[in-house]
Amino acid sequence: GAVVSQHPSRVICKSGTSVKIECRSLDFQATTMFWYRQFPKKSLMLMATSNEGSKATYEQGVEKDKFLINHASLTLSTLTVTSAHPEDSSFYICSARVSDRAVGAFFGQGTRLTVV
Amino acid sequence: SQKIEQNSEALNIQEGKTATLTCNYTNYSPAYLQWYRQDPGRGPVFLLLIRENEKEKRKERLKVTFDTTLKQSLFHITASQPADSATYLCALGDTGFQKLVFGTGTRLLVSP
Repeated sequence: GAVVSQHPSRVICKSGTSVKIECRSLDFQATTMFWYRQFPKKSLMLMATSNEGSKATYEQGVEKDKFLINHASLTLSTLTVTSAHPEDSSFYICSARVSDRAVGAFFGQGTRLTVV
Repeated sequence: SQKIEQNSEALNIQEGKTATLTCNYTNYSPAYLQWYRQDPGRGPVFLLLIRENEKEKRKERLKVTFDTTLKQSLFHITASQPADSATYLCALGDTGFQKLVFGTGTRLLVSP
C-alpha cells in the first residue's frame, strides 16, 4: 500500500523555539495532505488541510500563525510549530489520500512533540 | 455539532472469541465510514471503508456493518488473536472524500 513517512518521530524542544515536522508521500503524489493533533486517549483532531501550491485551510480555533504549513511539492508537506510552549506538547500526525476512493487515508508514524 | 461516540471503556475478550466494537454518530450524514487501527505511539492504519449505500463489508476476519437509520456502525473481529489488541477508531467522511472526523476510539485487549 501507499506509504507516508513522517519525521522526526520524537522531538524535545525548549519553550520559545520552533520545530519543523515533515510529512512525505513516498510512492505516490498527494495534492492534499492533512495534519492532525492527538491528545492522550483522545480522538484525532484535524488541524488543517494542506494543499500543494496554495495556502493551507485551517480548522476553526487553530492559529495559523502558530502552526505554519507549507506544501511545496506533491510529495512533501511541513508543519512548523512556532514559538512552542508546553501546551503545544502533543502527538502530531499527517495523512494523505490516494486517488482510489475505495481506500482510506494513509497516515504517517506520528511525531511526539515535548516542549520543556 | 457533529458527534461520534465509541465505547470509551476498554473491551477485554478471550482469544478466539468475536470482538464487536460500536460507533454511533449524531448530527451527521456521512457518505462513508472507515475503521482504523492505532497502536500506541503510532499513526492509524486503514482497515475498511463502507459507503452509505452498503450494509456490510468483509475483509478476512473483519466485518463492518453500517446502518444509516440507526446512525451506527459495528466492527467485528472474528477468531480474535492477542495481536489484534489495539485501539480501533471509526471515522466519517463526506462526499468529497477529503476531511475525516474521528471517534475517540475503543481499546481492545485480547487475552491468550
